[in-house]
Amino acid sequence: TQLLEQSPQFLSIQEGENLTVYCNSSSVFSSLQWYRQEPGEGPVLLVTVVTGGEVKKLKRLTFQFGDARKDSSLHITAAQTGDTGLYLCAGLPNSGAGSYQLTFGKGTKLSVIP
Amino acid sequence: DAGVIQSPRHEVTEMGQEVTLRCKPISGHNSLFWYRQTMMRGLELLIYFNNNVPIDDSGMPEDRFSAKMPNASFSTLKIQPSEPRDSAVYFCASSFIRLAGPRYEQYFGPGTRLTVT
Repeated sequence: TQLLEQSPQFLSIQEGENLTVYCNSSSVFSSLQWYRQEPGEGPVLLVTVVTGGEVKKLKRLTFQFGDARKDSSLHITAAQTGDTGLYLCAGLPNSGAGSYQLTFGKGTKLSVIP
Repeated sequence: DAGVIQSPRHEVTEMGQEVTLRCKPISGHNSLFWYRQTMMRGLELLIYFNNNVPIDDSGMPEDRFSAKMPNASFSTLKIQPSEPRDSAVYFCASSFIRLAGPRYEQYFGPGTRLTVT
């Protein structure tokens, strides 16, 4: 079983601050995705990273895939109240053809206080 | 595009009753996933279908749970009989999976919040 550990579990910060959340595993993934989930809604895909060391930017959000494709981080610059939500990472197994089951971490619940 | 549609959005039922959750995937998608989300266990995959065929149901908790996909535009998840520990938010997601490639997106529905008393 491939597990993804996310940290911290909860994070409360002031608007304007920077933050980083982490997603770690002992397993190698062929790709890793980050989702954001708002209360009462389903998760929405933010980004997919595929190559070890890959960095992707989405406005104030920076996503990085570890060189060994076992971990990832999400950095938010100058957080805004609209960033509040549950951030989930999900990995696609590196087991070759046939498996399209994402393994989800339990998420980081972010609260940005005005 | 209406996105993934789930119904009902909320369901409250008594222990022992049958519960049926419904999902309409995005048109053109060939895969459908049922998940359950709780605070304790996070988001867990229950079962997924590819081209209407169940591929892996190892996440289904027990025989009380069953899922069907009679056609490409409809799926159901049934719990019979329901128990209080089944209380959770159930999500349906759909995707278009090609034979190769690590990039694919799952589109989630809004979920059904199930409460079993």
